[in-house]
Formats: sequence, structure tokens, C-alpha cells
Amino acid sequence: DIQMTQSPSSLSTSVGDRVTITCQASQDISNHLNWYQQKPGKAPKVLIYDAANLEIGVPSRFSGSGSGTYFTFAISSLQPEDIATYYCQQYDNVPYTFGQGTRLEIK
Amino acid sequence: QVQLQESGPQLVKPSETLSLTCTVSGASIRDYYWSWIRQPPGKGLEWIGYIFYYGTTNYNPSLKSRVTISTDTSKNQFSLKLASVTAADTAVYYCASYSGSFNYFDYWGQGTLVTVSS
Repeated sequence: DIQMTQSPSSLSTSVGDRVTITCQASQDISNHLNWYQQKPGKAPKVLIYDAANLEIGVPSRFSGSGSGTYFTFAISSLQPEDIATYYCQQYDNVPYTFGQGTRLEIK
Repeated sequence: QVQLQESGPQLVKPSETLSLTCTVSGASIRDYYWSWIRQPPGKGLEWIGYIFYYGTTNYNPSLKSRVTISTDTSKNQFSLKLASVTAADTAVYYCASYSGSFNYFDYWGQGTLVTVSS
């Protein structure tokens, strides 16, 4: 299985801050990586697909980059509605695997 | 608008079989790959497996010996069976569509908490 290691596991941040989350794959996955947002009690929602493509309807403050084994996800200016847990997910190989998640909190 | 809805028992006894159904509306079961994903309380996401409507399946090796995913095209549903459950199988179970065109889980059910307990 491909292991996805996300960092940090939690982040205390303020509205307006830039937020960066990293995801490292245990082997080369090209750009076969997605990012999801999950709010409490809700299903995950895709924000970024193929490492860098913004899903339709997702605000442009969200972005993704990277390829191979190292990926980053960023929120350029955190909004209150962005408080959630974020997961990376690889689809290069079955079984599809997720990172352990990064929980954002407001300071 | 594609919508998915999980249904099934919320309490299952240890050693028994967990059975869930996902009813799809707004799309044909023939249009996508269909997956089950679970999330233990307070933990991360685990992909269980997928099925394409004509029967192609792929399961997580960690669960493969206990999992069966099937479709019912007449009801536009797909189902999950997980045998010999233990407390470690307690989780919110989500059904989701997997867009082969875009390679991500695009539509999700709301999730259903299944507790394994005697």
C-alpha cells in the first residue's frame, strides 16, 4: 500500500492567515493526488484533483501543487468557513489511501 | 443532481455480517464506479472497495477476505457486506461515486454510523 503522510496533524490559525499543509507519498504517484475538506458530521468534499486542479465551484483561495512524492495544499487567506479537517488521497494504486488528516482550528 | 443515501442496521453484533445499501438517484448505476469508504469515530478515512455495474470489483487487501460489494441495477443500488465484524469495524460508512474521468470521489452519501457491539 502507498502510505500518505500529512503534516501537520493539527494547526491553530487565524482568519486571514495563509495555511499550508503537506502530504508525502511513500512512493512516486506522479500527480495522482486529491485534496478533500471534511466538516464535522459531513462527508468529505473534493477541493483539488490531480494535485493542482481546482474543482468547479471551489473558491480560488484554495490551491494545490506538487508531483512525485511531495505535495502541498494551501489556503491563501483563511476564512471562518474553512475550519475543517483536510485530507490528501492518492489514486495511483489500489488500495486508494488517504493521509491521516489535518485539523484546522481558530486561535 | 446526484444523490446517494446509505441504509441498513446501525447496530451489529460481533462475528455477524454488516450489510449496507446505497440508493443512487440522479444518475444511473451504470455511469460510475461505486465505492464504500469508512471512518472510525475521530479517525481518518479508509477506502473499502469499488464496483463497476457489470461486476468488476476491487477491494482493499486489508478487508478483502471479508468484503463483498454488489449492485442491483433494477433498483439503482449497490451494497456492502462485511463479514465477521469486530469492534474495530465500528465506523461511519460512506457510499461514494468515483468518477473515472476525473479520478476522485465526487458524490458522497451522508454517512451512516454502524456500531459493532453485543
